Amino acid sequence: QKEVEQNSGPLSVPEGAIASLNCTYSDRGSQSFFWYRQYSGKSPELIMFIYSNGDKEDGRFTAQLNKASQYVSLLIRDSQPSDSATYLCAVTGGTSYGKLTFGQGTILTVHP
Amino acid sequence: DTGVSQNPRHKITKRGQNVTFRCDPISEHNRLYWYRQTLGQGPEFLTYFQNEAQLEKSRLLSDRFSAERPKGSFSTLEIQRTEQGDSAMYLCASRIGTGESEQYFGPGTRLTVT
Repeated sequence: QKEVEQNSGPLSVPEGAIASLNCTYSDRGSQSFFWYRQYSGKSPELIMFIYSNGDKEDGRFTAQLNKASQYVSLLIRDSQPSDSATYLCAVTGGTSYGKLTFGQGTILTVHP
Repeated sequence: DTGVSQNPRHKITKRGQNVTFRCDPISEHNRLYWYRQTLGQGPEFLTYFQNEAQLEKSRLLSDRFSAERPKGSFSTLEIQRTEQGDSAMYLCASRIGTGESEQYFGPGTRLTVT
């Protein structure tokens, strides 16, 4: 079992819809959770981080964390074509203390 | 520009040659990380520094790889006797303090070994 798993997609949603990206992790000691956006050929860009159970909202983005289920998600409301990218879930803590362990990423395409 | 910078941005080298990459972190960040990313995969951890001390190295980091951060500021990653399997994007990230705060990535160095 991979330490961090994401649906590789691609996930395709129409413009204006809600995109839902999911991530599960295997290490119960994981403490911090991050979502990065990566455009083709570019480096990862941090868009959200969450440390506590529940929801965290930042503009059109909402991160949700459920440590009991070892599940973290990212919702993108009012999706725009410019949101089309690969979304990477990453965790730290536990066996990944001090460093990020990434999933393989989910490719999101928002079509007009 | 106060973000993480990396040089060069692209490097093409022949198999067997040595290459060196440089990373300049955000100035107040005391932790510096190196990751490697291949096509279709998430970044994989290679090594990290707290100030000038190298605290951890991944088992992915063979003896051909060495990293330094001599004065606790910029860092270099050297690959000796490059192999085609070393072709990847090499990413540097930095963050401040202890705990599990967020890391910020530089633009990366894309290495192609022919």
